Amino acid sequence: AQSVTQLDSQVPVFEEAPVELRCNYSSSVSVYLFWYVQYPNQGLQLLLKYLSGSTLVKGINGFEAEFNKSQTSFHLRKPSVHISDTAEYFCAVSEGGDYKLSFGAGTTVTVRA
Amino acid sequence: NAGVTQTPKFQVLKTGQSMTLQCAQDMNHEYMSWYRQDPGMGLRLIHYSVGAGITDQGEVPNGYNVSRSTTEDFPLRLLSAAPSQTSVYFCASSVGQQNTEAFFGQGTRLTVV
Repeated sequence: AQSVTQLDSQVPVFEEAPVELRCNYSSSVSVYLFWYVQYPNQGLQLLLKYLSGSTLVKGINGFEAEFNKSQTSFHLRKPSVHISDTAEYFCAVSEGGDYKLSFGAGTTVTVRA
Repeated sequence: NAGVTQTPKFQVLKTGQSMTLQCAQDMNHEYMSWYRQDPGMGLRLIHYSVGAGITDQGEVPNGYNVSRSTTEDFPLRLLSAAPSQTSVYFCASSVGQQNTEAFFGQGTRLTVV
């Protein structure tokens, strides 16, 4: 079974600064990787996903993530954040052939002016 | 386009009471699941279903029952509520293949006193 570790529980950042959210997973088989965002008092919505192919994946709202198989990581980045990016971000993994998602504990991003 | 609809949005129960959290999706998705979200723990899978008439346990199934009589509906039942079940509950659905997006409801915030 896989586990997902989000290395930072809280990330404060100033508006227009870059941000990186770190995610590591453990799995012995092929995986599919996802980043979800949860705005206050809302459900989760998909930011981006890695299934196969190019290791650099672009998502909505200017986010991108890079899959690194040797380091079993899937870090999320945005070069310039906005106040509206304040939210909780979850990394999730599903193992090949399994419908179930395993989530990390989440990273709360707070963007300040 | 409704997507995944959860009711109620908020609920307060007394210890020992029972209730059903409702979840309905209008996307004809085969795969549906229930998660609970607790601070610092991310989302943990309670139960899931890969189609009508088929359900299975997730990571934290104790104290919860589910059934799937139709493709659209996947209710979650708490038979005898306990304070440890105070949480935010999310229902999600997907097409049924592990590499596709999961769509989440808005959540039900449950407090057991």
